[in-house]
Amino acid sequence: QLVESGGGLVKPGGSLRLSCAASGFGFSGYSLNWVRQAPGKGLEWVSSISTTSSLIYYADSVRGRFTISRDNAKNSLYLEMNFLRAEDTAVYYCVRQRNWGDPFDIWGQGTVVTVSS
Amino acid sequence: DIQMSQSPSSLSASVGDRVTITCRASQTIGRYLIWYQQKPGKAPKLLMHDASSLQSGVPSRFSGSGSGTDFTLTISSLQPDDFATYYCQQSYSVPVTFGQGTKVEI
Repeated sequence: QLVESGGGLVKPGGSLRLSCAASGFGFSGYSLNWVRQAPGKGLEWVSSISTTSSLIYYADSVRGRFTISRDNAKNSLYLEMNFLRAEDTAVYYCVRQRNWGDPFDIWGQGTVVTVSS
Repeated sequence: DIQMSQSPSSLSASVGDRVTITCRASQTIGRYLIWYQQKPGKAPKLLMHDASSLQSGVPSRFSGSGSGTDFTLTISSLQPDDFATYYCQQSYSVPVTFGQGTKVEI
């Protein structure tokens, strides 16, 4: 399973670090993603990281502000979010993917990020 | 970026109805089409991948078809547990993109 943490209320321009703890599967053998969902809206892919962190991708909306990373020794995924904007307000899901192009087969329960003054 | 468009955005149906949801890609994606089901307050659940391959544990009343740019998700006989929002997603290229969702209501 995947369990996210680190969400909360932050002011515009502020920073937040999300974490995702994995258990029950071979963490280092899977690519991982962050997907977000703004209140009442659809799903938006945010970022992906490969098994060895050699390949990393970002959505245009977050590139330069967010940084994805992983620690295979700790079975953990992270999302460092800087220069947060109101439009970053969303539930952030940690999501597992076997290989590039494969479906997102395991989702965490999500953590809520609210950017507001 | 590949744009994904679903129709309808919402639909009303009854238990036992046959329901079809359409997803169209802005360019060809082969069969790299995935369907998810999401219930209020819950994370999405994987239903189908590769356009028509049912995920393990998903009831056989769900089926998918299509290739290239046009895809469909069909529920052959709607059950009470199926009232939810359904999303398509292309995994052909980065950035991964989702359709806007189709809400299936009673």
